Amino acid sequence: AQKITQTQPGMFVQEKEAVTLDCTYDTSDQSYGLFWYKQPSSGEMIFLIYQGSYDEQNATEGRYSLNFQKARKSANLVISASQLGDSAMYFCAMRGVEIQGAQKLVFGQGTRLTINP
Amino acid sequence: EPEVTQTPSHQVTQMGQEVILRCVPISNHLYFYWYRQILGQKVEFLVSFYNNEISEKSEIFDDQFSVERPDGSNFTLKIRSTKLEDSAMYFCASSPWDGQYFGAGTRLSVL
Repeated sequence: AQKITQTQPGMFVQEKEAVTLDCTYDTSDQSYGLFWYKQPSSGEMIFLIYQGSYDEQNATEGRYSLNFQKARKSANLVISASQLGDSAMYFCAMRGVEIQGAQKLVFGQGTRLTINP
Repeated sequence: EPEVTQTPSHQVTQMGQEVILRCVPISNHLYFYWYRQILGQKVEFLVSFYNNEISEKSEIFDDQFSVERPDGSNFTLKIRSTKLEDSAMYFCASSPWDGQYFGAGTRLSVL
């Protein structure tokens, strides 16, 4: 079974600093996908970035990058030049085993990021 | 940009009542999901749906829950007799194949 661990319940960062949110995972699958979602206080889940297990390059999307270390089974999210609007809950998730083409996501507990002005 | 739409945004119901949560997935997506997030906790998978049938369901998805795609656009989650512990945010998600796009959620409050 897949498992996602986010060990930082809360992070406080000064505006404009870079921040790294930790995520480790456990799976016996050879092929898997890792996701990061942002959940602001309004509650919606916003897709940020995706990394496939066979992707050789770390994924990047604007100010977001994913530091993928396969041997360590870690997929940390790096946010560069943090902004006040980045304050939110962040969830790491893993795509589960495919069943009839559908693949559920398994989520970590989340990290609450607070950006201070 | 296409998005997953969920209605209502907030549903208040009495314990024992039936509720139907509605979702309109992105139109060309093939796979549909419901997840639940109890306040302050992580997001939990409930059920996946493909080709008009359930692909997988979690242990949370007991006989009180059902899903349906009554027409080509809507995807619904029904809870037959709500309990206090069903109070949560319910998210619908859809995917073409890889990646999942979430709706804004329905906050269900059972009194």
